[in-house]
Amino acid sequence: DQQVKQNSPSLSVQEGRISILNCDYTNSMFDYFLWYKKYPAEGPTFLISISSIKDKNEDGRFTVFLNKSAKHLSLHIVPSQPGDSAVYFCAASSNNNDMRFGAGTRLTVKP
Amino acid sequence: SAVISQKPSRDICQRGTSLTIQCQVDSQVTMMFWYRQQPGQSLTLIATANQGSEATYESGFVIDKFPISRPNLTFSTLTVSNMSPEDSSIYLCSVVSGGRYGYTFGSGTRLTVV
Repeated sequence: DQQVKQNSPSLSVQEGRISILNCDYTNSMFDYFLWYKKYPAEGPTFLISISSIKDKNEDGRFTVFLNKSAKHLSLHIVPSQPGDSAVYFCAASSNNNDMRFGAGTRLTVKP
Repeated sequence: SAVISQKPSRDICQRGTSLTIQCQVDSQVTMMFWYRQQPGQSLTLIATANQGSEATYESGFVIDKFPISRPNLTFSTLTVSNMSPEDSSIYLCSVVSGGRYGYTFGSGTRLTVV
């Protein structure tokens, strides 16, 4: 039962443009959502998070949007940079000890 | 947040053999988590390891195949036993970072079974 889904396995954007990565979830009990970034040969690292009481959280070039009614969240990166090229995982939890991950989206930012 | 040292980073193993993956955390943590990521798949939780008690396994994972040790609050091992090519995956350990950061992950072990 895949409770967190990232339907796009890959995304390619031009440097300077906006990258939009999408994530859907099915469990209405999730109340905390996170994005992780993973480079090859490294473990995922925390990028940005959002609580279910908010619909937007911004941190520099990264903004996460949450649409609870649609059970959908997205990560916007603007402007995209070549160093942003990585695999991005969406994650959701109903408490910090039970986190579910999506399959990841591989972002490639072309110079 | 915690820093995790995971090894080996990668290995190529013969089917039928076993591999033990180690994770060392630079601080004491109550729970450690072991994940698997098969090609094109989600990070899937294998088990949760608490110090001093048996690990709790998720549906589809059993102790005989993935025995886990947790001898103290900073260390854990996961063994992949009697390996087959289907066990070829990236294996990751993680701990709760606390607060808004979710989990901290080890660097992963890329296992290839031939």
